[in-house]
Amino acid sequence: DQQVKQNSPSLSVQEGRISILNCDYTNSMFDYFLWYKKYPAEGPTFLISISSIKDKNEDGRFTVFLNKSAKHLSLHIVPSQPGDSAVYFCAPSIQGAQKLVFGQGTRLTINP
Amino acid sequence: NAGVTQTPKFRVLKTGQSMTLLCAQDMNHEYMYWYRQDPGMGLRLIHYSVGEGTTAKGEVPDGYNVSRLKKQNFLLGLESAAPSQTSVYFCASSQGAEAFFGQGTRLTVV
Repeated sequence: DQQVKQNSPSLSVQEGRISILNCDYTNSMFDYFLWYKKYPAEGPTFLISISSIKDKNEDGRFTVFLNKSAKHLSLHIVPSQPGDSAVYFCAPSIQGAQKLVFGQGTRLTINP
Repeated sequence: NAGVTQTPKFRVLKTGQSMTLLCAQDMNHEYMYWYRQDPGMGLRLIHYSVGEGTTAKGEVPDGYNVSRLKKQNFLLGLESAAPSQTSVYFCASSQGAEAFFGQGTRLTVV
C-alpha cells in the first residue's frame, strides 16, 4: 500500500530554469510534509517542510506548495543550480505518530 | 558533532550468515529508524523505535530484528542473510518531524 508517490523517477532541467518536483499522497491524516535531498554516498538531509495549515512555504530558492484537496505537493527550485543535482524525496507525516514514510524519489539533474 | 553514526559502512555477507548493523546518535533523540534504499523503491521503513526499550514494525520488517536497549543506540540484525537483503541501509533519528540520517551501510549478500 504505497501511500506516497513520486511519479517522475527523473527530471532534467537547464541551469537557471525552474525545477518542479511533484508528490502525491493518499492518506488524508498526513498533516506535515517534508522534502529531503540526497547526494550519492550520503544520507538524506532535510530541505524544507510545510504544515497542513499552510499552502505555501518559501525558503530562499526553494518553495513548497501544498494542495490538500488534491492530496498533492510540489517543490519548486528557482533558479536551478548544478549543485541542486540530487535525489529528492517527499516525506508526509502525521505529527505525533513519528512514523516517517518516503516517496520513491526523483533524480534531478541540472544541466549547465 | 557526530550526529548519527552507522557502523560498518560496507559489508559483504554470504547467504545464511548473520550480522548486526549499529546506529548511534548523540542528539538525545527519542525516535530512531532503520530504512533500506533500493533502486526505484525509495526509502522503505524497516523498523522504528519511539523510545528506549521500544520497537515497532515498519513497511518491510521481515527478515530483520531490532533492539533499542540504550536511548542512543539502535541495532538492526539479520539472522540469516538472503540476497534480497542486498541494499543500502540508513539509520535516522528525530525529536520532532525532521529526521537526521547517517551516511548509510552498503550491504551485499552473495
